[in-house]
Amino acid sequence: NAGVMQNPRHLVRRRGQEARLRCSPMKGHSHVYWYRQLPEEGLKFMVYLQKENIIDESGMPKERFSAEFPKEGPSILRIQQVVRGDSAAYFCASSPRTGGALRGVYKNIQYFGAGTRLSVL
Amino acid sequence: DQQVKQNSPSLSVQEGRISILNCDYTNSMFDYFLWYKKYPAEGPTFLISISSIKDKNEDGRFTVFLNKSAKHLSLHIVPSQPGDSAVYFCASLTQGGSEKLVFGKGTKLTVNP
Repeated sequence: NAGVMQNPRHLVRRRGQEARLRCSPMKGHSHVYWYRQLPEEGLKFMVYLQKENIIDESGMPKERFSAEFPKEGPSILRIQQVVRGDSAAYFCASSPRTGGALRGVYKNIQYFGAGTRLSVL
Repeated sequence: DQQVKQNSPSLSVQEGRISILNCDYTNSMFDYFLWYKKYPAEGPTFLISISSIKDKNEDGRFTVFLNKSAKHLSLHIVPSQPGDSAVYFCASLTQGGSEKLVFGKGTKLTVNP
């Protein structure tokens, strides 16, 4: 059972270019989360998607960032006109969302991919 | 406004001894608390979780304690092994809605042989 797959692992872009980050969830998972980690920081939530729907984008910057999770294919995080401040590690996670909890044990664990390290020159 | 705080950036312990990693939170609405371990150049790996209605959860060498009145939790690793050397993140979530994780900044644990 393959885990969460992210590609590319490393991405170098010049200022003003576009960055596309891909995430394939674990088999059987239809819920995807994107997080960003700046240097020396924890991971910060960006967006939560189900197939063909954005459920929560409260952590997404208002401009230049967008995300999708089409019916077929991976989830895509797209950053237009990248700036140096976008340099970070971007992590994708998937979860089964099967029902919350059972006897106090949380069931919707998010499993993370290895991340994409974006460097903006 | 940091809702989950890990005040110790690093911790160093001897192999075989106990490692105690601490985490404080401010949001009393959190329903679950999770610990993730992260090696360099890899994604976070889930370790253990605890419900806000419990005060202890144990899984092998890992035990998490929750003190809800103090809004504090801790992860105990006994005995510590060199392979436990990693960055440990405390994370919290509110059940229902998106259940997005709110992370602390992490504590880098080094277990010396």
